[in-house]
Amino acid sequence: AQSVTQLGSHVSVSEGALVLLRCNYSSSVPPYLFWYVQYPNQGLQLLLKYTSAATLVKGINGFEAEFKKSETSFHLTKPSAHMSDAAEYFCAVNKAAGNKLTFGGGTRVLVKP
Amino acid sequence: EAGVTQFPSHSVIEKGQTVTLRCDPISGHDNLYWYRRVMGKEIKFLLHFVKESKQDESGMPNNRFLAERTGGTYSTLKVQPAELEDSGVYFCASSQDRDRMYEQYFGPGTRLTVT
Repeated sequence: AQSVTQLGSHVSVSEGALVLLRCNYSSSVPPYLFWYVQYPNQGLQLLLKYTSAATLVKGINGFEAEFKKSETSFHLTKPSAHMSDAAEYFCAVNKAAGNKLTFGGGTRVLVKP
Repeated sequence: EAGVTQFPSHSVIEKGQTVTLRCDPISGHDNLYWYRRVMGKEIKFLLHFVKESKQDESGMPNNRFLAERTGGTYSTLKVQPAELEDSGVYFCASSQDRDRMYEQYFGPGTRLTVT
């Protein structure tokens, strides 16, 4: 069975500071990995995805994530936080295209001016 | 191109009543998924349609939940009778067939409150 762990349900960062959201997964097969973001009163939006190509994945809004198989991690980073980054972020995994997604618990990001 | 739409956006019902949630996927997407987030918990998979067929319904909590996708277009999720623990946000997602199946597009969700 697959599982996803996001370390920290809430993260507070200052505007302009590094954003680092941690995600570790367990999967019996090489996974597909995703980061989704949910802005207030909106649905989930795909930030980026890893599908066995390059291990460093660039997404929208300046975010990127690195797949590290040895660490079973897929941490999300952004060099400089903007106020508009305040949202909830979800890491997810599935074991094959078209399969159900397994989500982590989510990390809510607060950006302080 | 219109995204995934869900109706209603909010629903408040009493325990024992029936509620039907609707999801309209992106046009041309054969795959449709239902997920649920109970307050304070992670988003969990409920079921997956490929066109009108149920591909995977392993996440359906019990037989009070009935999902349909007649004609392979929109889908409905009926809860009958509703219980307090059914409260949460119900998300629908869709994806294309073949090479793009891994990219699921989500709707805004339906917030269900059972009192």
